[in-house]
Amino acid sequence: EPEVTQTPSHQVTQMGQEVILRCVPISNHLYFYWYRQILGQKVEFLVSFYNNEISEKSEIFDDQFSVERPDGSNFTLKIRSTKLEDSAMYFCASTLSGTGELFFGEGSRLTVL
Amino acid sequence: AQRVTQPEKLLSVFKGAPVELKCNYSYSGSPELFWYVQYSRQRLQLLLRHISRESIKGFTADLNKGETSFHLKKPFAQEEDSAMYYCALLGGGTSYGKLTFGQGTILTVHP
Repeated sequence: EPEVTQTPSHQVTQMGQEVILRCVPISNHLYFYWYRQILGQKVEFLVSFYNNEISEKSEIFDDQFSVERPDGSNFTLKIRSTKLEDSAMYFCASTLSGTGELFFGEGSRLTVL
Repeated sequence: AQRVTQPEKLLSVFKGAPVELKCNYSYSGSPELFWYVQYSRQRLQLLLRHISRESIKGFTADLNKGETSFHLKKPFAQEEDSAMYYCALLGGGTSYGKLTFGQGTILTVHP
């Protein structure tokens, strides 16, 4: 069964460094998302991406964040200059029809020191 | 603003007992609600959605618009039901697939 895959599973970085989290969505899906979960808190929406552009972003998704789908298969989240509070589990998800039945990856745990 | 509340962080029951995981929502439009589940060491996955009105793994959930609730129920809990359960609300308009999650409830089913 096709799955969303994410790399790396865990990344440790120094504050101020750039981080790129990578995702390979399910191949025929059209809508792509990043969510994050700070330890002990709820899963929060960051951004949705459709038709090669951001369709919606949350107030968390400020200028430090960007997303790209560079080659038709990968979907990346870049954090330009990481802060301590960016430490979280980042989940990529995709869906065919934007109806709320999301398929999630296993997550990338980001630790900012 | 839309909001999802799961009042119980932890819920423990014994095998064979009924279980109810509570979810309340706040949303001005017509809500679409979901239950997602995360088993130990597995990814977050859809359990059920209110539109389909089906029973998955013995779980059901009924949307009660009067009480703005979408509680998840199972008459006889099994040990394999132990997991983290998230209630989620789908945003409308241009929010394709944007889900607002509750805090989650950790269900533990004891033998």
